[in-house]
Amino acid sequence: AQSVTQLGSHVSVSEGALVLLRCNYSSSVPPYLFWYVQYPNQGLQLLLKYTSAATLVKGINGFEAEFKKSETSFHLTKPSAHMSDAAEYFCAASNFSGGYNKLIFGAGTRLAVHP
Amino acid sequence: DTAVSQTPKYLVTQMGNDKSIKCEQNLGHDTMYWYKQDSKKFLKIMFSYNNKELIINETVPNRFSPKSPDKAHLNLHINSLELGDSAVYFCASSQDRGRISEAFFGQGTRLTVV
Repeated sequence: AQSVTQLGSHVSVSEGALVLLRCNYSSSVPPYLFWYVQYPNQGLQLLLKYTSAATLVKGINGFEAEFKKSETSFHLTKPSAHMSDAAEYFCAASNFSGGYNKLIFGAGTRLAVHP
Repeated sequence: DTAVSQTPKYLVTQMGNDKSIKCEQNLGHDTMYWYKQDSKKFLKIMFSYNNKELIINETVPNRFSPKSPDKAHLNLHINSLELGDSAVYFCASSQDRGRISEAFFGQGTRLTVV
């Protein structure tokens, strides 16, 4: 069964520092991969997605992620953290099981940004 | 215009009651979902409908019954509510048509069973 693992349930960085949120997937077939962000008391908003077109994917708010098949990883990065980046981040995978989309989420990583 | 809207946003009710959560999407998508987010923020799919047809039904108690009157609406009815049903429930939609696409989420319904 497909699964998504996010290493580190909490990550804390200083404003202006590099953000690195880790995501690994387990699947015999490379899935489509997504990063979502959830602000407090909000729904999930798509940051970026990997659909096999390019391994380096750029998203909104300056985030990007690189798909590495050899490492089964899809880590999320941002060169310089901003206070407004503080939120919960979810990595998700889907490989079109049975002909339909079925997103499997990681457990989430809470990003804290301090001055 | 809100793309995926859920009502109510907050729902507090007593054990044993029956309640419904409504969801509507105006994106023209053909697939809709219900996800449950527990107190540890873990998200798990419950149901998925494609053009009013149930296509994904995870191991959810049969007290939970989804209903899709048309492809723009997917409601969730819960019978005999239990304390463990307290969670945030998210509705989502996507346009699949033979390919994977991202899901768009509603704002969530925070259900508290007391």
